[in-house]
Amino acid sequence: TQLLEQSPQFLSIQEGENLTVYCNSSSVFSSLQWYRQEPGEGPVLLVTVVTGGEVKKLKRLTFQFGDARKDSSLHITAAQPGDTGLYLCAGPHFYGAGSYQLTFGKGTKLSVIP
Amino acid sequence: EAQVTQNPRYLITVTGKKLTVTCSQNMNHEYMSWYRQDPGLGLRQIYYSMNVEVTDKGDVPEGYKVSRKEKRNFPLILESPSPNQTSLYFCASTFGTGVREKLFFGSGTQLSVL
Repeated sequence: TQLLEQSPQFLSIQEGENLTVYCNSSSVFSSLQWYRQEPGEGPVLLVTVVTGGEVKKLKRLTFQFGDARKDSSLHITAAQPGDTGLYLCAGPHFYGAGSYQLTFGKGTKLSVIP
Repeated sequence: EAQVTQNPRYLITVTGKKLTVTCSQNMNHEYMSWYRQDPGLGLRQIYYSMNVEVTDKGDVPEGYKVSRKEKRNFPLILESPSPNQTSLYFCASTFGTGVREKLFFGSGTQLSVL
């Protein structure tokens, strides 16, 4: 299984600060997804990036897929307490006959302090 | 409302007592999957299913069984639970091959095996 490494593992910042979290692999991925998970709930999809170099924006969140499609970053501008949660990246590993397995990184746990 | 429903939400059991965690989705999704989430280890896939009667092992299948007799249901069976299966379990589903589609997660089942 291809590994996805996320950094930092934990991040605690003050409201209003900017931050960037990273998702890296030694393997090429056809696409990467970012999810956010809040305590007591399942992960919820934020975005899917497909093309190398692609940048997608979701309000104050900016997602970038590396040119070589081996890495991705998530930048949050002016973080708010509502951004608190576990951020996970995920990418597919393909087997034969159209079968695939979605692999998750271990996540970055973000705390935004009011 | 489109959703993935897992039951029960919390379960405490004893070693060796067979149990089943149910998962049902109302979105006519082909792909369904089970994950377990442990501190420091992230989300790890147990089993997945590309369609009815088609199941395959994920990264950590030992001690688990699944079945996919109907499209909407994908139960997780622990024939003889052990304490190392204490974990937070998530069921998920998505459309078609689902590689770039949104993965819908249930709210989780917190299992404790004493």
